[in-house]
Amino acid sequence: KAGVTQTPRYLIKTRGQQVTLSCSPISGHRSVSWYQQTPGQGLQFLFEYFSETQRNKGNFPGRFSGRQFSNSRSEMNVSTLELGDSALYLCASSSVTSGGADTQYFGPGTRLTVL
Amino acid sequence: GESVGLHLPTLSVQEGDNSIINCAYSNSASDYFIWYKQESGKGPQFIIDIRSNMDKRQGQRVTVLLNKTVKHLSLQIAATQPGDSAVYFCAEIRGGAAGNKLTFGGGTRVLVKP
Repeated sequence: KAGVTQTPRYLIKTRGQQVTLSCSPISGHRSVSWYQQTPGQGLQFLFEYFSETQRNKGNFPGRFSGRQFSNSRSEMNVSTLELGDSALYLCASSSVTSGGADTQYFGPGTRLTVL
Repeated sequence: GESVGLHLPTLSVQEGDNSIINCAYSNSASDYFIWYKQESGKGPQFIIDIRSNMDKRQGQRVTVLLNKTVKHLSLQIAATQPGDSAVYFCAEIRGGAAGNKLTFGGGTRVLVKP
């Protein structure tokens, strides 16, 4: 099976712009989660989508949003970019069912740099 | 608050020796725990997981031990190789109403000396 893929791998934006990142989960996985990784804060949970519904959300401002499509692919959007948004954004997919928990498999990440 | 943390930020180990990476957690309601390995420029790679109703699980060259009494998790790597140099994270999942959400520890860097 192909792993989790993320596009683009690298992005450079300026403050105030908005950005959309894409994630394709492992085939058959219906849960997609997003994480932000920075040297200072480590790995932090952004949100999880399951069957096109946001099931859980971390403590990030409303500038961070996401969605999931019927084929389980997911996108996350960051509006009005700030310098502090520079980070590695990781997507993870899981074969979890609606009420359970299961191992998450990560993609390579999208490195976002905000200038 | 609830957290998953690591005792040692950096671990240097001689090639061929065994490595032990430790992790403390505070949420006894976690369903299970996962160890990830992250190499520079890559996403975290799944190593092994263990459910909360188990105390030991073995994989290829790796063993995870779970001590629920003291809320401690460890990853043992046998015969450490240069390719094992990376940052290792422990993570917990609670599932249920909390969703399939991972809470990560801060990470331990393992440096393998030739």
